[in-house]
Amino acid sequence: GIQVEQSPPDLILQEGANSTLRCNFSDSVNNLQWFHQNPWGQLINLFYIPSGTKQNGRLSATTVATERYSLLYISSSQTTDSGVYFCAVEARFGAGTRLTVKP
Amino acid sequence: NAGVTQTPKFRVLKTGQSMTLLCAQDMNHEYMYWYRQDPGMGLRLIHYSVGEGTTAKGEVPDGYNVSRLKKQNFLLGLESAAPSQTSVYFCASSPRDRYSNQPQHFGDGTRLSIL
Repeated sequence: GIQVEQSPPDLILQEGANSTLRCNFSDSVNNLQWFHQNPWGQLINLFYIPSGTKQNGRLSATTVATERYSLLYISSSQTTDSGVYFCAVEARFGAGTRLTVKP
Repeated sequence: NAGVTQTPKFRVLKTGQSMTLLCAQDMNHEYMYWYRQDPGMGLRLIHYSVGEGTTAKGEVPDGYNVSRLKKQNFLLGLESAAPSQTSVYFCASSPRDRYSNQPQHFGDGTRLSIL
């Protein structure tokens, strides 16, 4: 099956900093999503982005399908951004990036 | 607008007991999925369904059974619970299959502990 690798596994930021999370996948895709799992365990759908670029407030994502990677950008990070960010490709999840934003 | 609802939210079982987790969606989605999430890991697909009356195995199907008797419901069963099945279980649905152009919608999870 398709392999999904996320990096970095852990990230600690100071409030206000920017960050980039990466998702590499092993095969061509028709379905790629980014999720945020909050401290209560809920999965929040951030982007559905099999290709191209999308933006939603301080968050944006870019998928380059031909090169098999996707990037999630978080600008001006806030403590509420803390949690685990997952990339899911064709219903297969990566291991996630655990983000901690310190005040 | 409930979306995807999972029942129960928490459960503690003894080894060898059986139980059924219920997932209900009110979005008329064709596809439904069951995942498990172990500590520090991503979600792994247990079983999925491409429509009423159909089921298929995912990455980690052993020890689980599923049924999709109604389009809006997807049931996950543990016939003889084992401590290795202690996990958080998530249900999801999508309008078409996981390979097409539609996102998945997730429930809030069921936290299951097997003693």
